[in-house]
Amino acid sequence: IAGITQAPTSQILAAGRRMTLRCTQDMRHNAMYWYRQDLGLGLRLIHYSNTAGTTGKGEVPDGYSVSRANTDDFPLTLASAVPSQTSVYFCASSDSSRGSAGELFFGEGSRLTVL
Amino acid sequence: GQNIDQPTEMTATEGAIVQINCTYQTSGFNGLFWYQQHAGEAPTFLSYNVLDGLEEKGRFSSFLSRSKGYSYLLLKELQMKDSASYLCAVMDSNYQLIWGAGTKLIIKP
Repeated sequence: IAGITQAPTSQILAAGRRMTLRCTQDMRHNAMYWYRQDLGLGLRLIHYSNTAGTTGKGEVPDGYSVSRANTDDFPLTLASAVPSQTSVYFCASSDSSRGSAGELFFGEGSRLTVL
Repeated sequence: GQNIDQPTEMTATEGAIVQINCTYQTSGFNGLFWYQQHAGEAPTFLSYNVLDGLEEKGRFSSFLSRSKGYSYLLLKELQMKDSASYLCAVMDSNYQLIWGAGTKLIIKP
C-alpha cells in the first residue's frame, strides 16, 4: 500500500441497501476526510476525523456515518442508500500538524450508483 | 454564506499562457489552495498561498490578494497534459476547506 487506498472503485447498489466504502492510508496522517463530488459542484465534505477516536460532521453528513478506530482506517457507511447518494466519493488525508494542513492526499475515488 | 467562484471552463492553446481566477468570500482565512484533477482521477495538490504575493513552482504560479479575496493560477508553456480541472479551495476559520466547483481547462494544439 502506498498512499491512500479506497475500495470498491465502483459499485452499483439497490436503493435501501447498506454499503460501506473502505479507506486505508499508510502515511500516518492524523486527519482524514470523506468528500463527495458531483458534476457542477465543488467537493463537499461529508465527515472528517482530526485524529483516531474522533469524528465530525461536514457539510452534507445526513445518511452517512463514519468511524475512526485507528489511524489508518476511515470507513464510510451508507445505512440505507438512496438515489441522491449516487456520486463519486473521495477519501483524503492530511498531516494537520504541518503548516499547510490543506495539502490533502486523495484516494482514487469510489464511483457509487444507487438505483 | 461562504462562496468560491471560478470560471466553469477555459480554452487555451498549447505553448501559450493561461490565467485561472478565483474569488472567495469565507468566514476567516487560513490559506488558499490549488489542486489539479484530470478527468476520472483524484485531485492532486498544486500550490498553497497564505501571504499576499506570487508563489512560483516551475511552469505553475499562484497569486493571492487577501484584501481583494482573489487568487489566480498561472500556467505557462501549456502542454496537452495540462488539460484538466483546476480546483480552488480556501481554508476557513475552522480550518475546513471550502471548495470551488473547478475550472475545466481545455488545451488545443
